Amino acid sequence: AQTVTQSQPEMSVQEAETVTLSCTYDTSESDYYLFWYKQPPSRQMILVIRQEAYKQQNATENRFSVNFQKAAKSFSLKISDSQLGDAAMYFCAYVEYGGATNKLIFGTGTLLAVQP
Amino acid sequence: GAGVSQSPSNKVTEKGKDVELRCDPISGHTALYWYRQSLGQGLEFLIYFQGNSAPDKSGLPSDRFSAERTGGSVSTLTIQRTQQEDSAVYLCASSLVGTEASPLHFGNGTRLTVT
Repeated sequence: AQTVTQSQPEMSVQEAETVTLSCTYDTSESDYYLFWYKQPPSRQMILVIRQEAYKQQNATENRFSVNFQKAAKSFSLKISDSQLGDAAMYFCAYVEYGGATNKLIFGTGTLLAVQP
Repeated sequence: GAGVSQSPSNKVTEKGKDVELRCDPISGHTALYWYRQSLGQGLEFLIYFQGNSAPDKSGLPSDRFSAERTGGSVSTLTIQRTQQEDSAVYLCASSLVGTEASPLHFGNGTRLTVT
């Protein structure tokens, strides 16, 4: 069964600095998608960035980028120029490509604090 | 509506009572998912609907949990004879189609507290 592991329950970063959140996963599949979701206190899950496993190029969305290491099954999120609004819980998630249900498998999350 | 709507936002119930949680997906979204988020845990998949059918209900933790979807739209998650371990945030998500290429849109969840 696929699993997603986030080993950092909490992280802290100074405003305007850079922080990296770690995620590893386990799968026997070769085609899949990986995601980072942000959950602010409102509880709504917001998609931050998505990576297709068949793409070697790391995905980037403005200040958010990933370091995708397929062989190592690692998928870290880098937040540059951190802002107070980035404070939230961040979840890493996996979905199998071509699966029957598009069911996301989530890690346990990393709570990010941004210090002014 | 513009997004996925869930009601109630918060629910406190006594152990042993039944509760119903409602999800209004984005109009036109055929796929609907329920997840449970317990304190300190990630999101746990409960059930997936495609239209009104539930081809994957493998995450429902016990027969006290059931869900239905009507008219390819609104879904209701019912928990019978609630237990304290049922306390969690229940999140609903919808997507245009049930494939990995179709991003999930989440609601704000229902926080259930069983006393």
